Amino acid sequence: DAKTTQPTSMDCAEGRAANLPCNHSTISGNEYVYWYRQIHSQGPQYIIHGLKNNETNEMASLIITEDRKSSTLILPHATLRDTAVYYCIVRLRNGSGNTGKLIFGQGTTLQVKP
Amino acid sequence: DTEVTQTPKHLVMGMTNKKSLKCEQHMGHRAMYWYKQKAKKPPELMFVYSYEKLSINESVPSRFSPECPNSSLLNLHLHALQPEDSALYLCASSQDSSGRALSGANVLTFGAGSRLTVL
Repeated sequence: DAKTTQPTSMDCAEGRAANLPCNHSTISGNEYVYWYRQIHSQGPQYIIHGLKNNETNEMASLIITEDRKSSTLILPHATLRDTAVYYCIVRLRNGSGNTGKLIFGQGTTLQVKP
Repeated sequence: DTEVTQTPKHLVMGMTNKKSLKCEQHMGHRAMYWYKQKAKKPPELMFVYSYEKLSINESVPSRFSPECPNSSLLNLHLHALQPEDSALYLCASSQDSSGRALSGANVLTFGAGSRLTVL
């Protein structure tokens, strides 16, 4: 199972870009990288996912290194409402007996400060 | 409708009680999930249903009994729980559960959770 490593916590000033790193050095060829976040006392919320290319949506950008061993989630203009735990997850492949599993690691607690 | 609805939001039960948590979605998703989350910990996968059949049981004790009556509903029946089972129980759904990960098909939508306290 490809595992992820994230810093335990990070701070970011309001209005600045928040760059959240994730290492997934054992990722396999067809495994996607997913990012979710969980605001206190709420269910996790999907942010973005990618395979090889960089991705952008209305919430964030995902930069994946060429060797796919790491990625960075970028929140371009962080607000106080972006304070949350951010989870980087590698989705397990079908055919390995682990179909359907989305396994959360410890995540990064992002604190956006005024 | 793009939501997963969980009821009740809060539940307090004794160790001899029988109760159920309910989850509902109307997005046409064919995979549904139960996760358990203890305070300050990440969610832990408990069960996965795919096309109304149980496809994954993460060695969950039998005092937790899942049920998927139809493609829109998922229940978690609780019986003879222990105080250490107190946690936030999260339900989620996705288009399917295939690890082949057709882009977008495996995006999980989570409910707000049911907070369970076992006395």
